[in-house]
Amino acid sequence: KQEVTQIPAALSVPEGENLVLNCSFTDSAIYNLQWFRQDPGKGLTSLLLIQSSQREQTSGRLNASLDKSSGRSTLYIAASQPGDSATYLCAVRGTGFQKLVFGTGTRLLVSP
Amino acid sequence: DAGVIQSPRHEVTEMGQEVTLRCKPISGHNSLFWYRQTMMRGLELLIYFNNNVPIDDSGMPEDRFSAKMPNASFSTLKIQPSEPRDSAVYFCASSSPRRKNEQFFGPGTRLTVL
Repeated sequence: KQEVTQIPAALSVPEGENLVLNCSFTDSAIYNLQWFRQDPGKGLTSLLLIQSSQREQTSGRLNASLDKSSGRSTLYIAASQPGDSATYLCAVRGTGFQKLVFGTGTRLLVSP
Repeated sequence: DAGVIQSPRHEVTEMGQEVTLRCKPISGHNSLFWYRQTMMRGLELLIYFNNNVPIDDSGMPEDRFSAKMPNASFSTLKIQPSEPRDSAVYFCASSSPRRKNEQFFGPGTRLTVL
């Protein structure tokens, strides 16, 4: 059974810092991995999707990497801003079935 | 491109009442997912449809929960009778193989059962 863990559970940084969020998963037989952000009381917004054959994806100040063999993904946020404050969730989809297994999230606070 | 649409956004009901949540997936998406989010259990997949057919409902908590997808543009999740422990945020998501099966979520329905 796939298990997804995110560390740290919470992170507080001053504006402008570069930061890394970690996601680990127990079963390396994955189809893809998605990073989402969730603002309080809101739905999930898809940030990046990495296919199992890819090593990384970039969107603006965000860069996500994937190391399937070690069961790890990282989300790198450059030059953080207060607007980046949210909970970040990673989710892994196994092969042959579209079910996403979610991590418990990292709650990020970027202070001005 | 309209996103996933859910209604109602908020629902407050009394224990024992029937609750129906609605979802309109993104046009052209052929997979639809119902999730539940609580503080204690995080995000859980309840049921998944592909081409309007339920594929996996192993996450449905019990017989009080049922879901239907009568056509490609509409799905319902029904709870009858509702109980206080059903209080949660219910999300609908959709995806398409033409978009790498990336899942897009609706804004959710916050359900409170008194």
